[in-house]
Amino acid sequence: AQSVTQLDSQVPVFEEAPVELRCNYSSSVSVYLFWYVQYPNQGLQLLLKYLSGSTLVESINGFEAEFNKSQTSFHLRKPSVHISDTAEYFCAVSKGSGNTPLVFGKGTRLSVIA
Amino acid sequence: EPEVTQTPSHQVTQMGQEVILRCVPISNHLYFYWYRQILGQKVEFLVSFYNNEISEKSEIFDDQFSVERPDGSNFTLKIRSTKLEDSAMYFCASSTATGGLFFGPGTRLTVL
Repeated sequence: AQSVTQLDSQVPVFEEAPVELRCNYSSSVSVYLFWYVQYPNQGLQLLLKYLSGSTLVESINGFEAEFNKSQTSFHLRKPSVHISDTAEYFCAVSKGSGNTPLVFGKGTRLSVIA
Repeated sequence: EPEVTQTPSHQVTQMGQEVILRCVPISNHLYFYWYRQILGQKVEFLVSFYNNEISEKSEIFDDQFSVERPDGSNFTLKIRSTKLEDSAMYFCASSTATGGLFFGPGTRLTVL
């Protein structure tokens, strides 16, 4: 079975500062990895995903995540955050594509301070 | 941009009553899911659905729960006799075969 650990439940950071949200996973098989973002009072939005190929994946709003197989990690980073990035971020893993359930971490609340 | 829609946005019900949560997945998606998020807790998988049948379900998805795709567009989750602990945000999701689920905005279910 897969599991996801997000060690930081809350991360406060000043505007324009860099941020890293940590995600580690455990699995006995190859996995696909995802980051979802949940803005206040909204649903989950897919931020980025790793399925195969380049281990560095990027989103359209400046976030990036790097798949590190040896460290079983998929940390999310952004070099300069904005107030609008304040949200809950969930790391998720699945053991396949298509009809394979996602296993979510507990989430990290990113609070950007002006 | 296509999106998953869910109705109602908020459902309040009495314990023991039946509720039906509705979802319209993205039109060309073939895989459908229900997840729930109890307040302050992680998002939990309930059930996945493909080719008009349940593909996988979690231990949460007991006999009180059922899913149905009554027509070509809707995907429903029914809870036959609601309990207080069913209070949660319920998310519908859909996907293609290549990974990455697209979630709806959720239905907040409150059981009194």
